[in-house]
Amino acid sequence: AQSVTQLDSQVPVFEEAPVELRCNYSSSVSVYLFWYVQYPNQGLQLLLKYLSGSTLVKGINGFEAEFNKSQTSFHLRKPSVHISDTAEYFCAVSDDSWGKLQFGAGTQVVVTP
Amino acid sequence: DGGITQSPKYLFRKEGQNVTLSCEQNLNHDAMYWYRQDPGQGLRLIYYSQIVNDFQKGDIAEGYSVSREKKESFPLTVTSAQKNPTAFYLCATLGLAGGLRTGELFFGEGSRLTVL
Repeated sequence: AQSVTQLDSQVPVFEEAPVELRCNYSSSVSVYLFWYVQYPNQGLQLLLKYLSGSTLVKGINGFEAEFNKSQTSFHLRKPSVHISDTAEYFCAVSDDSWGKLQFGAGTQVVVTP
Repeated sequence: DGGITQSPKYLFRKEGQNVTLSCEQNLNHDAMYWYRQDPGQGLRLIYYSQIVNDFQKGDIAEGYSVSREKKESFPLTVTSAQKNPTAFYLCATLGLAGGLRTGELFFGEGSRLTVL
């Protein structure tokens, strides 16, 4: 079974600064990779996904992620954050398209003025 | 509005009581899932159902039960056998595009269960 490691539990960042959230997964022949965002007391919303094709994936709200097969990583980036980006971010991986995702423990992003 | 509706949003129960969380969807998705979320642990899969009248255990099924009598509905019962039921519970469906699975999950707003 897949496993996912999010290397930072909390990331403080100033408004308009860049942010990178790190995610590593256990190796597999093929993987489906996802980043979700969760605002307090709400469900999860998909930011972006990698199924195949280009290794640089662009998502909503200006986020992007790069799939690196050799390093088994899928790091999330945003060049300039807003206060509204304060939330918890989850990396998830699956071996197939059946939706049985393995989630990382989450990274709390706190954006301050 | 198309989406996933979970109810109740907040629920309190006494130890030893069973409680059922509702999940209804009008997205016409076949597969549905229940996840449990605890602080610092991410989400863990409890049960999933790929089709009506069929469901499978996930990673932490002990102390939980489900049913899937209708495509739209996938209720979760937290039984008294669940040792530590206080958590945030999330229901999800599996996306389809052109009749094919996308691998992407769509989530409801969640139900927060507190055992007193």
